Amino acid sequence: DAGVTQSPTHLIKTRGQQVTLRCSPKSGHDTVSWYQQALGQGPQFIFQYYEEEERQRGNFPDRFSGHQFPNYSSELNVNALLLGDSALYLCASSHGTGIIEAFFGQGTRLTVV
Amino acid sequence: AQSVAQPEDQVNVAEGNPLTVKCTYSVSGNPYLFWYVQYPNRGLQFLLKYITGDNLVKGSYGFEAEFNKSQTSFHLKKPSALVSDSALYFCAVRDINGDNYGQNFVFGPGTRLSVLP
Repeated sequence: DAGVTQSPTHLIKTRGQQVTLRCSPKSGHDTVSWYQQALGQGPQFIFQYYEEEERQRGNFPDRFSGHQFPNYSSELNVNALLLGDSALYLCASSHGTGIIEAFFGQGTRLTVV
Repeated sequence: AQSVAQPEDQVNVAEGNPLTVKCTYSVSGNPYLFWYVQYPNRGLQFLLKYITGDNLVKGSYGFEAEFNKSQTSFHLKKPSALVSDSALYFCAVRDINGDNYGQNFVFGPGTRLSVLP
C-alpha cells in the first residue's frame, strides 16, 4: 500500500514565478492538508481540503491556493514566489473526521532563488 | 489560540539509557496531543496520541508519553534509547477551530534527539 506521495521531490524556482506541488493521499483517505516547514522550524498549517472544498486555512496569504480532485489528490499552488517561500512543503492525509492522526508524505523541497 | 512549546532544542542520551523529550501545551478546550518523528529527508511519522483516558499513552517503536493536565505537559519517553532513535521529534496539538473535519495541527519547534553509542 503506497503511503502519501508527493511530487516533485525537489524544485528550484525564480522569485516572482509560480509553482504547483502535487499530492496523492494514502489509499482510502479523503482529507488532505498542506504544511510549510521552514528550515529549523516545525511545520505550519497552510490549508485543508475535504470533499473538494477548502475547509480550514492557516495564516497564509492568498498567494497560496489549492485544489482537491474527485480522486482525493490535491495540488498546492503558490504565485509570485518570494525568497521566504523556500521551505519543505508537506502533504498529510487522513480518513474521515474526528481526532485522528495524519499520514505525511516525504515532502517537496522548494528553493526560490 | 493553541500553542506548543518544546523547551529543549537538543537532547543527548547514551544508548541504553532512558530518554525524555519535553513538551508543554496551551489550549482553550480539551487537549488532543500528538507526537511525530522526522528522519532526515523524510516526512513526519506518527508515534502516539492522547485524546482521553489513561495518562500514560503507549505508541510505536517502544515510545510512550505521559499526559499531565495540572502541568500542561505531554513528555515523550522511552525506557532504553537506541542509536536509531536519533531524529527530530515534534509535539503537536490539534486545533479544533469549531469542526471535526480534519487534522490541522499546531506543531512545536521540534527537539533533536541524539543517541550516542
